[in-house]
Amino acid sequence: GNSVTQMEGPVTLSEEAFLTINCTYTATGYPSLFWYVQYPGEGLQLLLKATKADDKGSNKGFEATYRKETTSFHLEKGSVQVSDSAVYFCALSDRGRGAQKLVFGQGTRLTINP
Amino acid sequence: NAGVTQTPKFRVLKTGQSMTLLCAQDMNHEYMYWYRQDPGMGLRLIHYSVGEGTTAKGEVPDGYNVSRLKKQNFLLGLESAAPSQTSVYFCASSPPSGGTSYEQYFGPGTRLTVT
Repeated sequence: GNSVTQMEGPVTLSEEAFLTINCTYTATGYPSLFWYVQYPGEGLQLLLKATKADDKGSNKGFEATYRKETTSFHLEKGSVQVSDSAVYFCALSDRGRGAQKLVFGQGTRLTINP
Repeated sequence: NAGVTQTPKFRVLKTGQSMTLLCAQDMNHEYMYWYRQDPGMGLRLIHYSVGEGTTAKGEVPDGYNVSRLKKQNFLLGLESAAPSQTSVYFCASSPPSGGTSYEQYFGPGTRLTVT
């Protein structure tokens, strides 16, 4: 079945450091790919998405490119801030009719120190 | 708009007790979902609904039942709680679509502990 694997956490960085969180997936067909973020005590919210190969999703300084050849969707940010501390989830969505079903990675906890 | 709301926020149950978690959304979304979040496992889909009066099983449906009597509400029931059901439960909703690129909107979660 479909699956998503994220890099092990937790990740701790200093403010203004460069961030990469790796995400690889296994899927049949051509799924859409997402990054969701969960701030402390809150539900998940969509950070960015890409729907086809070579698409780049971006939001709030974060970027991720849909790489079909390497089945990857790595999350990057050039200069992180303390406010970026959160848990980040990579997810894929099966294509087809009916309700969207998301398959999530295990999540990566990010802590940014001032 | 309140978005997606969940009731209650916290609950402690004894093994064998029953309870119902309520999810409500005010965005007129057709699709609604229940997930559980466990450490190191991400979120897993329990049940979902594609419209009022319809429900379907997700990845981990055993021990749970759901109902969607009204479009805006999606109820998750535990008939006989077990310690393995200790988790954080999230409800989500999304607009109707034949595609898969639509955002799901999540509630704040319910933390359930079964002793």
